[in-house]
Amino acid sequence: AQSVSQHNHHVILSEAASLELGCNYSYGGTVNLFWYVQYPGQHLQLLLKYFSGDPLVKGIKGFEAEFIKSKFSFNLRKPSVQWSDTAEYFCALWDTGTYKYIFGTGTRLKVLA
Amino acid sequence: ETGVTQSPTHLIKTRGQQVTLRCSSQSGHNTVSWYQQALGQGPQFIFQYYREEENGRGNFPPRFSGLQFPNYSSELNVNALELDDSALYLCASSLTSGASDTQYFGPGTRLTVL
Repeated sequence: AQSVSQHNHHVILSEAASLELGCNYSYGGTVNLFWYVQYPGQHLQLLLKYFSGDPLVKGIKGFEAEFIKSKFSFNLRKPSVQWSDTAEYFCALWDTGTYKYIFGTGTRLKVLA
Repeated sequence: ETGVTQSPTHLIKTRGQQVTLRCSSQSGHNTVSWYQQALGQGPQFIFQYYREEENGRGNFPPRFSGLQFPNYSSELNVNALELDDSALYLCASSLTSGASDTQYFGPGTRLTVL
């Protein structure tokens, strides 16, 4: 069955540290992959998405993600985090066969000032 | 441009009752998706409506049903409520169906089943 795994449930970093959040998926078809973010008190919003082409995808606020097909991974990265990046991050895929979204369980990031 | 709105904000029901949650999509969007988010979990896809037709469905029983109206607003109906239905219910709208268009999420409705 299709699934999305986020192994880091909680991450604590100091400002200026580099960030990498893991996302692995299980799906045999063409993948459409996403990272969403939910800042405290705000709605879920899209950070970036990958459909095809360049496996390195750039999103908003300096985030990027790399699609590695051989590893079934789509990890989120940011070279230098800020206190304002404190949020919950969700990886998701769109099942092009059954027309449904599958979300991971999320990673709570806390950035210490 | 008005964003996605949901009503009510909070709701308390008892087991066995029925509930209707409402969502107004962003202007110009013809697709609405509904999600259930239990505490500490990611959103679970319930279904998607595109131009008033169900377009895709997650692993939810038939007591979860929906409607989309000609103005593209939507309702989620849950019959025979169970304790495990307690969750945050999110609605998201997009310009069209599929994944190519960005989903815009609403604030959610917090449902508590006692």
